[in-house]
Amino acid sequence: AQTVTQSQPEMSVQEAETVTLSCTYDTSESDYYLFWYKQPPSRQMILVIRQEAYKQQNATENRFSVNFQKAAKSFSLKISDSQLGDAAMYFCAYRSDWGNNNDMRFGAGTRLTVKP
Amino acid sequence: GAGVSQTPSNKVTEKGKYVELRCDPISGHTALYWYRQSLGQGPEFLIYFQGTGAADDSGLPNDRFFAVRPEGSVSTLKIQRTERGDSAVYLCASSLLGVVTEAFFGQGTRLTVV
Repeated sequence: AQTVTQSQPEMSVQEAETVTLSCTYDTSESDYYLFWYKQPPSRQMILVIRQEAYKQQNATENRFSVNFQKAAKSFSLKISDSQLGDAAMYFCAYRSDWGNNNDMRFGAGTRLTVKP
Repeated sequence: GAGVSQTPSNKVTEKGKYVELRCDPISGHTALYWYRQSLGQGPEFLIYFQGTGAADDSGLPNDRFFAVRPEGSVSTLKIQRTERGDSAVYLCASSLLGVVTEAFFGQGTRLTVV
């Protein structure tokens, strides 16, 4: 099974500054999807951004962007102009796209603190 | 319904008892996932359904855990002879199959075994 590794258990950023969260994954598949989810204390998992592996262009959603390095199997999340509401657990996820198999695995998460 | 619904939201049970956790996915979503999340950890994969069948149940920790989805919609996660180590939040998610969309999550069931 694919594995997802987030090597930063905790990160901290000053409000309005930029922070980058790291994620690496291990797979032998060529077609897959990568996601960043945010989980606030309410437990509700919220999609932040997604990336299709076949696309070379890095995904961007407003203040959130990714640096996808397929050869290195790296998928980092950059949060620009950090806001207090960005404070949460962030999870990187890998989803297979082999046939109809959409199996999805998560990393251990990074707790992001935003300082006012 | 509008989103993924999980019931109950909280469940306290005694060690050794049997529990059932229910997940109502978004209508039309054929893929359904169960995860277990311990405090401060990432979601740990348990089982993945495509329609009525379990496409991957490799994450079920032992034979005390079982999940069904008899009609391809609602799913039930069943835990027999519960142990204190089973205490966690159990998350359910659903998605369309074979389409590039994210999985939508319920708010989870917090299971506490005392």
